Amino acid sequence: EDKVVQSPLSLVVHEGDTVTLNCSYEVTNFRSLLWYKQEKKAPTFLFMLTSSGIEKKSGRLSSILDKKELFSILNITATQTGDSAIYLCAVARGNQGGKLIFGQGTELSVKP
Amino acid sequence: DGGITQSPKYLFRKEGQNVTLSCEQNLNHDAMYWYRQDPGQGLRLIYYSQIVNDFQKGDIAEGYSVSREKKESFPLTVTSAQKNPTAFYLCASTLTVGSYGYTFGSGTRLTVV
Repeated sequence: EDKVVQSPLSLVVHEGDTVTLNCSYEVTNFRSLLWYKQEKKAPTFLFMLTSSGIEKKSGRLSSILDKKELFSILNITATQTGDSAIYLCAVARGNQGGKLIFGQGTELSVKP
Repeated sequence: DGGITQSPKYLFRKEGQNVTLSCEQNLNHDAMYWYRQDPGQGLRLIYYSQIVNDFQKGDIAEGYSVSREKKESFPLTVTSAQKNPTAFYLCASTLTVGSYGYTFGSGTRLTVV
């Protein structure tokens, strides 16, 4: 059975800390891995990773994929209270239309 | 501005009643999706539609029904057969079949009382 597992499920840090969120997957016919941020209601897109070893960056956020070990990490440096959210990892399979398999999410709380 | 509109934001239902959640998009996207979100379980796919008048079951379709009579609209009906309907429901769309650039709606929180 295809599955996506995120860890930790919840995390509390203080402003300025650096955090690493993990996503491992066991999926047949892997195509891409995506990260989303969900602050209140609608998840917003962060990254899509298709190739191994190529880091994607956006400001203080970065992510990388390891297709050999079947995992991805999302790093957030110099965290701010506005980073508090649920971070969702999802995997897309080939020939599956636009369907995604989501992990459980990591709830990040950044304290002042 | 283009986007996805879900309504209502909050919905209360008595046991044994059917209820319909609305999802409308003005993005001219071909594909639309319904996901259910429960605490600690991430998002699970209920139904999806790749084209008007066609839709497919997702992983947890039992107790739900959908229609796609117009490209812009993909309503979800939660029937009385759904044993545990209290959840947060998210609608999403993508430009074409096979693309993964989801646009999400703001969700509907359904509570069975």
